[in-house]
Amino acid sequence: GESVGLHLPTLSVQEGDNSIINCAYSNSASDYFIWYKQESGKGPQFIIDIRSNMDKRQGQRVTVLLNKTVKHLSLQIAATQPGDSAVYFCAESLTGNQFYFGTGTSLTVIP
Amino acid sequence: GAVVSQHPSWVICKSGTSVKIECRSLDFQATTMFWYRQFPKQSLMLMATSNEGSKATYEQGVEKDKFLINHASLTLSTLTVTSAHPEDSSFYICSARDRFLAGGYEQYFGPGTRLTVT
Repeated sequence: GESVGLHLPTLSVQEGDNSIINCAYSNSASDYFIWYKQESGKGPQFIIDIRSNMDKRQGQRVTVLLNKTVKHLSLQIAATQPGDSAVYFCAESLTGNQFYFGTGTSLTVIP
Repeated sequence: GAVVSQHPSWVICKSGTSVKIECRSLDFQATTMFWYRQFPKQSLMLMATSNEGSKATYEQGVEKDKFLINHASLTLSTLTVTSAHPEDSSFYICSARDRFLAGGYEQYFGPGTRLTVT
């Protein structure tokens, strides 16, 4: 499996500001990447995905950037809202089958 | 669409007993389901891949005799924690892939099951 974090980094942003959440993945051969949002006591929710043949993908209010050179993913959330408060995880996969989750980031939006 | 349920949502059991957790895909068929474990304030750790009609594939370090997985139908996978101990207390989450989602690799997650072993 891939690396698993032992602590949870935190990020606090003001409502309406943009948020940037970063993730370092561990396997340079990973081909599939997904960002998930997890609210307390619930299962993860899909946010956005990207394949290794792309370096940027946009969704509604979210953008994922992939830098394969340094094995880095970022999730940008535009105009962050209180409902965006949650823990965010990136997940990587070689085959699109087994996904391995990275260290999450706890996002708190200040009203 | 693409709803995955888990039952029970929480369970408390005594040390030494076994607990079964169910994962169901409600509106799609899943030949592949996945089981994860999550400790408080930590990431999800993939435990095993559950394959319909065949044996599960376990991740390195996961005891297959302790975490029994059965995927007897296209909509149901079960995880049985045998001879549970307090250190098995965790949040167990399953996910499923839609077998008819061509080219897709998205997994749909269940709401999780909180297991507490006393």
